[in-house]
Amino acid sequence: GQNIDQPTEMTATEGAIVQINCTYQTSGFNGLFWYQQHAGEAPTFLSYNVLDGLEEKGRFSSFLSRSKGYSYLLLKELQMKDSASYLCAVRDHEAGSYQLTFGKGTKLSVIP
Amino acid sequence: GAVVSQHPSRVICKSGTSVKIECRSLDFQATTMFWYRQFPKQSLMLMATSNEGSKATYEQGVEKDKFLINHASLTLSTLTVTSAHPEDSSFYICSASSGGLAIQETQYFGPGTRLLVL
Repeated sequence: GQNIDQPTEMTATEGAIVQINCTYQTSGFNGLFWYQQHAGEAPTFLSYNVLDGLEEKGRFSSFLSRSKGYSYLLLKELQMKDSASYLCAVRDHEAGSYQLTFGKGTKLSVIP
Repeated sequence: GAVVSQHPSRVICKSGTSVKIECRSLDFQATTMFWYRQFPKQSLMLMATSNEGSKATYEQGVEKDKFLINHASLTLSTLTVTSAHPEDSSFYICSASSGGLAIQETQYFGPGTRLLVL
């Protein structure tokens, strides 16, 4: 199985940068995903990493180190609308090619 | 991105009744659909994986006779909660994948269905 850890809550100031970390343990790593979920809504896809390194997409970037079982999501120029839960999810060969296992999510609060 | 719809978005029912939730992929063919359940302040828990035309694969601890899944076409999967009880009250979310060979294949989520059993 997989074990995915991420901080439960974080608070950051509007306009600042915040980094949300995720560590995972899996035997058949096949990709790591980040999703954003606003309260009461379904998750929306943010990013995907399968190779080591940084993937940048606008204000959001995601980093992966497979050897360390570590990823982070970087949010720049924070806006109030970025207040949401951020879910780290891992895909594992052994769990089936397209199944995802989700972490418990990090609730980010952006304050003025 | 791809669009996945769910219906109904919210349902309230009496204990003992059955509730059907539909999940549709609107602009792509979903060979694989996933059903998740999310309790307040908890993460998404995968309930089952369904492939079009075959029986669903249920996760450990999920009763297949209670949560009936039908994936009859490439654009529609249904989840029926039979004889619902208050402990079944939760946020049910489906996701769909086109099941391509591309490793970056992702799941697209529906908007979720909030079920309240009285």
